[in-house]
Amino acid sequence: NAGVTQTPKFRVLKTGQSMTLLCAQDMNHEYMYWYRQDPGMGLRLIHYSVGEGTTAKGEVPDGYNVSRLKKQNFLLGLESAAPSQTSVYFCASSYPPQAGGMDTQYFGPGTRLTVL
Amino acid sequence: RKEVEQDPGPFNVPEGATVAFNCTYSNSASQSFFWYRQDCRKEPKLLMSVYSSGNEDGRFTAQLNRASQYISLLIRDSKLSDSATYLCVVNEGYGQNFVFGPGTRLSVLP
Repeated sequence: NAGVTQTPKFRVLKTGQSMTLLCAQDMNHEYMYWYRQDPGMGLRLIHYSVGEGTTAKGEVPDGYNVSRLKKQNFLLGLESAAPSQTSVYFCASSYPPQAGGMDTQYFGPGTRLTVL
Repeated sequence: RKEVEQDPGPFNVPEGATVAFNCTYSNSASQSFFWYRQDCRKEPKLLMSVYSSGNEDGRFTAQLNRASQYISLLIRDSKLSDSATYLCVVNEGYGQNFVFGPGTRLSVLP
C-alpha cells in the first residue's frame, strides 16, 4: 500500500517550457487535490477533483490545468512555466467529507519545481 | 485578513518543556479542524483531528473553542523528535475547502 505517490520529485524548467506532474493514490479516495507551498505561506489549493472526470479551481488556479481521467490519478499541467511557479507542489487525497465527519487528507512526498 | 492564523514562531524550547500553539480561524461555518505536522522538506502528516469536546493523544492535547473560533495544541514533555512545523487546518464546509495556516515551527533543544 504505497499511499500517495508523486512524480517527479525534482524538476528544473526554463521559462516557457511545459510539464506534467503526476499524482497517484491506491486508497480508493474520491477526492484529490493539488497544493503549492511557498516559504512563509500556508499550503494553497490550486485545483481539486471530487471524482473521476471532474475537476474544479481552487484558490490559485491561474497558469495550471488538471485532469482526472482515472480515479487513482490526478495530473497537474503547466503549459508555459513562469518563475513565479517555482514552488513545492503537494498532491493529497481523501474520502468525501461528510456532515460532521472527520475527513483526513493524505499527502504525497512533494515535487520541488524550479523555473529559471 | 488571513482565514487561518497561527502563532508566528519559531518556538525554541528545552526537552521536557510544555509548549502550546494557538490558531484562530475566520469562518464561523467551519466544520472540522486538524493539526498536521510537517518535517523539514517533507509532506504534511495528520497529527490529530480536533473535536469540540477536546481530545488527547498521549502527550498531545487539542482543544476547540467554536465561540471564540480558536484551536489550540498542547505538547507536554517535549522530545527532540517533536521538532517540526505544526500546521493548523480548517475545513470550511461540506466539501473540499481545507484552509491551511502558515504553520508554527518548533525546535526542541537538548
